[in-house]
Amino acid sequence: DAKTTQPPSMDCAEGRAANLPCNHSTISGNEYVYWYRQIHSQGPQYIIHGLKNNETNEMASLIITEDRKSSTLILPHATLRDTAVYYCTPFRTSYGKLTFGQGTILTVHP
Amino acid sequence: DGGITQSPKYLFRKEGQNVTLSCEQNLNHDAMYWYRQDPGQGLRLIYYSQIVNDFQKGDIAEGYSVSREKKESFPLTVTSAQKNPTAFYLCASSLVNSLRSPLHFGNGTRLTVT
Repeated sequence: DAKTTQPPSMDCAEGRAANLPCNHSTISGNEYVYWYRQIHSQGPQYIIHGLKNNETNEMASLIITEDRKSSTLILPHATLRDTAVYYCTPFRTSYGKLTFGQGTILTVHP
Repeated sequence: DGGITQSPKYLFRKEGQNVTLSCEQNLNHDAMYWYRQDPGQGLRLIYYSQIVNDFQKGDIAEGYSVSREKKESFPLTVTSAQKNPTAFYLCASSLVNSLRSPLHFGNGTRLTVT
């Protein structure tokens, strides 16, 4: 299984962009990169996913490097409600199993 | 609205007792999962099921059991053999063999065993 590495914590000022990195250097060709976030004492919430192209939705943007060894989740205008733990995880479509690491605690300050 | 329901939200048990956590989904998803989360830790996979009457062990299955008799239900039993059962338990579901199917999570059951 591919392993991911994320910084344990990051800070961001409200209204500014939050850029959360993830290293997944052992990812294989058929593994998507998924991002989730978890607000305290709730279940994780899906944010976005991608294979090799950059992706954007109403919540965030995902930038994946050309070699697919790393990616960055971008919250373009962070709000206090974006304070959460953010998880980056590879997903094998043929395996059906998702595993999570320790994630990045993002704290958005006023 | 479609979603995943976990009940109860908080559960207290005495050591040595088995306890069953409920998970129901009305999303018509094929796959269901159970995760355990300890304070300051990421999620660890306990069991998963991709089809009715079939399930697979995850990374930390010892001391747990599951059943999948119906597509919409995937109960987890924490047995007395589980040495450290106090944790936050999360259930999730997804479509199988779909390239664009994220996991949908319930809001968890916090189990305390004393």
